Formats: sequence, C-alpha cells, structure tokens
Amino acid sequence: GQQVKQSSPSLTVQEGGISILNCDYENDMFDYFAWYKKYPDNSPTLLISVRSNVDKREDGRLTVFLNKSGKHFSLHITASQPEDTAVYLCAGSNNNAGAKLTFGGGTRLTVRP
Amino acid sequence: EAAVTQSPRNKVAVTGGKVTLSCNQTNNHNNMYWYRQDTGHGLRLIHYSYGAGSTEKGDIPDGYKASRPSQENFSLILELATPSQTSVYFCASGDAGRNTLYFGAGTRLSVL
Repeated sequence: GQQVKQSSPSLTVQEGGISILNCDYENDMFDYFAWYKKYPDNSPTLLISVRSNVDKREDGRLTVFLNKSGKHFSLHITASQPEDTAVYLCAGSNNNAGAKLTFGGGTRLTVRP
Repeated sequence: EAAVTQSPRNKVAVTGGKVTLSCNQTNNHNNMYWYRQDTGHGLRLIHYSYGAGSTEKGDIPDGYKASRPSQENFSLILELATPSQTSVYFCASGDAGRNTLYFGAGTRLSVL
C-alpha cells in the first residue's frame, strides 16, 4: 500500500481563500515532512518542510501542521493566488534510513480568480 | 544554485530495446535519486545512490538498473524496455545529512 497518501487528487479554491492540503503517512519512523510544488512540465521544488520535533511551521502565507499521533500533516496556504495553481506533493522520510523521500500521489490545486 | 541536468529530455523506445537515462549534477551532492512520476502515484523511488560506486534499490526497482560511476553522474538503465515503463523520469540530488532534493527537468519516455 501507499506509505504516503494524499486522499484528495484535486482541490479548487477561490482567490483570496485558504487552501488546505492534507497528507497521511504510515511509517512511524518518519521524522521529516515536506511539501513540494510542481508546475506542469516543470520539476518539483521544495516549498516548506518541518522536522518531527515541532508541530507547526509558518513561512509567509504557508503553514505546515504536523500531527504525529495521527500520522497526518497538512499545508495551509492563506490568501490563495492564481499563481498558487500547481500540483502539491507531500513527502516524508526517516533520517536514520538515509535521506530517502517517499512522496504522496499529489493534489492538483486550482485557484480561481 | 543547484543544477541537475537530465538527458535526453524526450525519448521514444521500442519494446525490448535498451534505454539509458543520464543525470549530471554540479552541486557536489553525495546522494542522487531516480524517481518516476505517474498520474495518481506521485513520485516513486526507483534507485538511489549515496556516492560514487554505490547504488541502492528504491521502492520499485524491478526492470531497472542504476549506475553511479562518479560523484556527478547517475544513470538509469532499462535493459529490456516495456510499455509499462512509459513515464516521466526525474533525477534528483541531495546533500548527505540534509533532506532537500533538487530535481532535474525530467525525461519523458515512451515505450512503444
């Protein structure tokens, strides 16, 4: 089965609204969690990441919430913009097993003007 | 800035043929990775390497081999290509001890 799962393949949000992207994982040993952004025909790039010793990290309009007991983390994008339209990939890794990221299936976010 | 270059960018191969996808990085990163991207599956790890001469199996290694002849270069080899290997392949590099991956632009492979 999938070790990292994004249950919503797509999400549509109105400009100015808040986008909430969710990710569930199975591996208890994961201690690093990340969100990558991918535009069509482009390579994924790191958006934001968090280690397991914190449960929240903010960076501008982006906030990652980590719920380790629930094996769940999410990305909140406030004041969503049309340029936020992209595929968002969540990922986790166990640093003791090497920096080997396991990705979810992706959520396609569309922000409507 | 991180630089990971993949070649070719597009490839059409015949079933049963041999395909080699190449990746070069100029970041002096120890770790390199090959992923494939398919709709609904996100990125799945095929092979990775911790340094020159090392290759490790990822989550979906069957049908693929890898080669890391130097710090800079990491190749993915399909000895007998099959249509199920039609996909977009991404190479990435990362520093040992850090988790950020830097991806190349991708190679679109079609096996007919």
